[in-house]
Amino acid sequence: QKEVEQDPGPLSVPEGAIVSLNCTYSNSAFQYFMWYRQYSRKGPELLMYTYSSGNKEDGRFTAQVDKSSKYISLFIRDSQPSDSATYLCAMSGVSGSARQLTFGSGTQLTVLP
Amino acid sequence: KAGVTQTPRYLIKTRGQQVTLSCSPISGHRSVSWYQQTPGQGLQFLFEYFSETQRNKGNFPGRFSGRQFSNSRSEMNVSTLELGDSALYLCASSLSTSGSGETQYFGPGTRLLVL
Repeated sequence: QKEVEQDPGPLSVPEGAIVSLNCTYSNSAFQYFMWYRQYSRKGPELLMYTYSSGNKEDGRFTAQVDKSSKYISLFIRDSQPSDSATYLCAMSGVSGSARQLTFGSGTQLTVLP
Repeated sequence: KAGVTQTPRYLIKTRGQQVTLSCSPISGHRSVSWYQQTPGQGLQFLFEYFSETQRNKGNFPGRFSGRQFSNSRSEMNVSTLELGDSALYLCASSLSTSGSGETQYFGPGTRLLVL
């Protein structure tokens, strides 16, 4: 079983929809949680960064972390065609091998105009 | 501020050859990490360098190696290439003041094709 599980999709939604992306993890050492967006043939771009449990909002994006359930989410409001990309969750801990970023497999999102 | 740069962007090699990839981090960033991205395995951590020392290493064979220079620029080398080494190789840099939980910024990657 992988340390981080992410539904690969693909996910297709109409423009303006609310998108929910999720990851679950098994390593309780993870303390830092990130969401990256990757366009085709590009490097990942950091979208959201959260430490420990809680919510964080940035424009149309909201990240949620529930450490008790080992579950993280990214919500995209008023989705746009330009949001079409692969979304990767990533997480890391504070010591040892957990310090490196561990990624989910990515969810491919298409927002239809 | 300029982002992470990687050279070359594309590379074609044959089995058995070796390859060297280069990464220049964001100015002021002292940590450089390398990742391999493939459709089947996703993004996997190769190694991290900080102040010219390897600080962390993933589960890859010894054919994969790296180094970091005093100006924080980093190179990774893959010897005796195999078909399965075909991938997008990504470099990420961070300030790494504490060594953990640092935000990492990725370069565009080097796409390696092994024939």
